[in-house]
Amino acid sequence: GPKVLQIPSHQIIDMGQMVTLNCDPVSNHLYFYWYKQILGQQMEFLVNFYNGKVMEKSKLFKDQFSVERPDGSYFTLKIQPTALEDSAVYFCASSPRDRAANERLFFGHGTKLSVL
Amino acid sequence: GQQVQQSPASLVLQEGENAELQCNFSSTATQLQWFYQRPGGSLVSLLYNPSGTKHTGRLTSTTVTKERRSSLHISSSQITDSGTYFCAMITGYQNFYFGKGTSLTVIP
Repeated sequence: GPKVLQIPSHQIIDMGQMVTLNCDPVSNHLYFYWYKQILGQQMEFLVNFYNGKVMEKSKLFKDQFSVERPDGSYFTLKIQPTALEDSAVYFCASSPRDRAANERLFFGHGTKLSVL
Repeated sequence: GQQVQQSPASLVLQEGENAELQCNFSSTATQLQWFYQRPGGSLVSLLYNPSGTKHTGRLTSTTVTKERRSSLHISSSQITDSGTYFCAMITGYQNFYFGKGTSLTVIP
């Protein structure tokens, strides 16, 4: 089936550094999402993105966070600077949003971010 | 804000028993999707069920949109069914909201 690829699978960085998480969404999908999950807890919505713009973001999407997808390349989540509480698994997802309102959500395998 | 409530929070079954998971949402959902996650794993889409009843294998989902609820029935549970089951709804604001999940443990 359709696959969302996330690179890297694990990232370890020092607090205060910048990190970029990369996502290769399913081709022809139109909506892109980032979710944050701390081990064993709920999937927390961060942001969704459509047509080059942030459509909606949650309170968890701090000022230090930014997203972009330049020229159809990777959909990225950048955190600058990172904080200890940013340690979590970040899941990227994409959705087709075609005329049939086929709004299934497809997830990547996640990037585990460890901030030391 | 949007809320998705799942029950029970956790469930322990013996192999072969059936499981019934519930999902209730606070506003009218335009779409609803059930996911499965192994500990430390990614989310796997199980069923996309905006309304009515859908089947796949041992899984049956029934969504009653007007009553803002959906259920996931797992028949003849197996040890490999252990994990966390999430329901997620989408509203007119184009965002998927997740419940806190039901942790299922199937024992021999």
